Order: sequence, then C-alpha cells, then structure tokens
Amino acid sequence: SQQGEEDPQALSIQEGENATMNCSYKTSINNLQWYRQNSGRGLVHLILIRSNEREKHSGRLRVTLDTSKKSSSLLITASRAADTASYFCATVDNYGQNFVFGPGTRLSVLP
Amino acid sequence: EAGVVQSPRYKIIEKKQPVAFWCNPISGHNTLYWYRQNLGQGPELLIRYENEEAVDDSQLPKDRFSAERLKGVDSTLKIQPAELGDSAVYLCASSLGQAGGNIQYFGAGTRLSVL
Repeated sequence: SQQGEEDPQALSIQEGENATMNCSYKTSINNLQWYRQNSGRGLVHLILIRSNEREKHSGRLRVTLDTSKKSSSLLITASRAADTASYFCATVDNYGQNFVFGPGTRLSVLP
Repeated sequence: EAGVVQSPRYKIIEKKQPVAFWCNPISGHNTLYWYRQNLGQGPELLIRYENEEAVDDSQLPKDRFSAERLKGVDSTLKIQPAELGDSAVYLCASSLGQAGGNIQYFGAGTRLSVL
C-alpha cells in the first residue's frame, strides 16, 4: 500500500510561475523525501526533511512539513520548462525501515 | 563516481518466458532495493537487501519472482514465468541506509514488455 498521496495528480503551469505539490501520509515518520523523475529515467533525490523540521530550502525548492496534519508541500519557484517531470514524495518510518512512495504529481511547465 | 547501473534498458518477451534484470549499485552502498513501477504510478518496493541479506521481501510475488545479491554487491531479479501483468519498469536503487538518511540513488530502470 502507498502511504504518501500527492495532489494534484497533474499540474500544468506557464514558465516563471510557481508550482505547489502536496503530500499526505498516514503513519508516524522519521523523514520525508521528495524525488523527481524525468520521462523514461530513474528517480532523483531532491530534498529530505526530518520529522523535527518544519521547512527546508534548496535552490528554487522549498519544502514544508506539518506532522500534526501528516502533510508536506513542495514549492518550486520561478519554474522552467526543464522542471517538467513527475514528483514523488516518499516517507521513511521511525525505524528507518519502510520506504513508501506516493503515486506522484505530473508537472508540465509550458514555455 | 558511477551511479547505479541497470541492464538491460528494455526487454520484450512473450508470456511464460523467463527474464532477468541486473543491477550494479553505487560502490559502498550496503542497501539495495528493487522496485516495480507501473505506468503513471509511484515505485512499489519488491525487495530490500542489507548487504547480502534480504530484509524485506514481503511484497515480492515469490511464486514467480526471485532475487539474489551475491557477495552483497550486484543483484539480479528474475521472473519465471512472466505474465502479461508483469509489464512495467523495474527500478533498482541503492543507499547508505540509515547512516545516509535513507536517501536512495536510482538506476535508469529496465522497461519490460510481456506480449
């Protein structure tokens, strides 16, 4: 079963706009990670946020985590056509054992 | 540093035939994962290795799927016999485990088509 559930399932925006994707999960976690997958490729790690953190930044990426709501969001600012990809959240449980991906958000950035 | 290497990239077989996928993880990564990814879905874990030990194979369909990781480095995943529903992308990933925050590094995957 998949713990992380991203929404929206698909998102289409214009270049330069911001893109926000959300992830909800069900059980307690040790950390939550976001990955990107370009068409026909493997997944690439973007950012990790631990359960005791509320916000992290990496370049144009901003991730928030609300453990009380069991949710996370990924914000991509000033999007580029090259950001077109599928984005997945993945949760790691408190034992660092179970690693569960959500179904992903398919982002299209139009030039 | 070389990434995770998978082969073949594509495989087309007829149902009931056997098929095998190979994965070479990043050097030094003790944890290795095999995932299956159906079109439009996230990866689903099939099996996780810590060194040469399979520590989580609860989602591996053991009647037709098998895996091994000899010497705790390379790994192979086998399906015998393949069914139409096995068509998917099979991804291999490796990590340093908890020591590395469980950040996973993925190969490009093997796209399997069962006809």
